[in-house]
Amino acid sequence: AQSVSQHNHHVILSEAASLELGCNYSYGGTVNLFWYVQYPGQHLQLLLKYFSGDPLVKGIKGFEAEFIKSKFSFNLRKPSVQWSDTAEYFCAVNDYKLSFGAGTTVTVRA
Amino acid sequence: EAQVTQNPRYLITVTGKKLTVTCSQNMNHEYMSWYRQDPGLGLRQIYYSMNVEVTDKGDVPEGYKVSRKEKRNFPLILESPSPNQTSLYFCASQQPSTDTQYFGPGTRLTVL
Repeated sequence: AQSVSQHNHHVILSEAASLELGCNYSYGGTVNLFWYVQYPGQHLQLLLKYFSGDPLVKGIKGFEAEFIKSKFSFNLRKPSVQWSDTAEYFCAVNDYKLSFGAGTTVTVRA
Repeated sequence: EAQVTQNPRYLITVTGKKLTVTCSQNMNHEYMSWYRQDPGLGLRQIYYSMNVEVTDKGDVPEGYKVSRKEKRNFPLILESPSPNQTSLYFCASQQPSTDTQYFGPGTRLTVL
């Protein structure tokens, strides 16, 4: 199974700042890529996914992610965060099974 | 409304007392899975099921059992819980063709 690395454990930023969360997986081949978000006290929700095609994918709530095959990366971005983006974010990779990263906690200060 | 439900949402129990966490989905998904979430470790798969009567071990199956007698239900059984099974548990379901998993609300289990 894939090993999924998320570069940051905890990110703290102010409203309107830009956000980028790194995600790398361990080996190539055909993979499907996901970012999930978990708001405080809630279950995981799908933010966006990449299966094929345009490597820049747009998700809900203004998030986007870029798949760079040569770097085995799938980084998540948002140009201007809001307080309501405070959550834990998980990258996940599916080749024959779904493997999750350890998660990044994002705290947005008003 | 399409959803995955889990019960109970919170449970405090003692070592060795058998318990079952139920999971049900109303989307007619064939694939279901259980995860545990621990700080710094993300989600780790416990067991999964490709269809009725078909189950298999995930990454951390020790101490857990599952069954899949009906398509919609996938209960997680802890025959003799131990403190290291204190965790947040998520059930998920997926239609293989979409490759996207839908998660339940989670069950926070504390084993004393």
